[in-house]
Amino acid sequence: RKEVEQDPGPFNVPEGATVAFNCTYSNSASQSFFWYRQDCRKEPKLLMSVYSSGNEDGRFTAQLNRASQYISLLIRDSKLSDSATYLCVVIILVKGSARQLTFGSGTQLTVLP
Amino acid sequence: DGGITQSPKYLFRKEGQNVTLSCEQNLNHDAMYWYRQDPGQGLRLIYYSQIVNDFQKGDIAEGYSVSREKKESFPLTVTSAQKNPTAFYLCASSMGPAEAFFGQGTRLTVV
Repeated sequence: RKEVEQDPGPFNVPEGATVAFNCTYSNSASQSFFWYRQDCRKEPKLLMSVYSSGNEDGRFTAQLNRASQYISLLIRDSKLSDSATYLCVVIILVKGSARQLTFGSGTQLTVLP
Repeated sequence: DGGITQSPKYLFRKEGQNVTLSCEQNLNHDAMYWYRQDPGQGLRLIYYSQIVNDFQKGDIAEGYSVSREKKESFPLTVTSAQKNPTAFYLCASSMGPAEAFFGQGTRLTVV
């Protein structure tokens, strides 16, 4: 079983739609949680960190549910420029103070005009 | 400006050759990582290092080697033992539980 699992999609939505992505993690030693965005043939870039209290950045809202071990990302009023692959990322405490960065396989989003 | 730099951006390798991909960071990050990404696929961990002179194998380490002689540098060598090396290689660094930063990647092609 993968440590971080995402629905690979693809999600094809019209402009203006609201779309939600979920990600589950299995390791209880998971410490930090993030959503990254990756455009085609580019490196991943941080979209937002994810906290239990939930956090919002403009049209984007992220939420962490530690009890159920899942992370969500909600995009409201989708724009064409939101088309990308969204990666769920977890930092796991592996031994002592050592940590490992673990990625989900990514969810592909295409926003259609 | 602080950041993480990979070079070269494009690299061509003949079959049977070893090649080394460079990754340098000036963020003072302890941890550094190498990932491989194939077209339409997710990131797969090759090697990671938490501290100078120490590194651990990831999920797909066979055919690759690394060194961590300096905190700033984590070069990856793709050896001739890696039978299908054509891919996009990404280096990342992080500090503690904070977010990771990525280099712009190296696209390796076997010719």
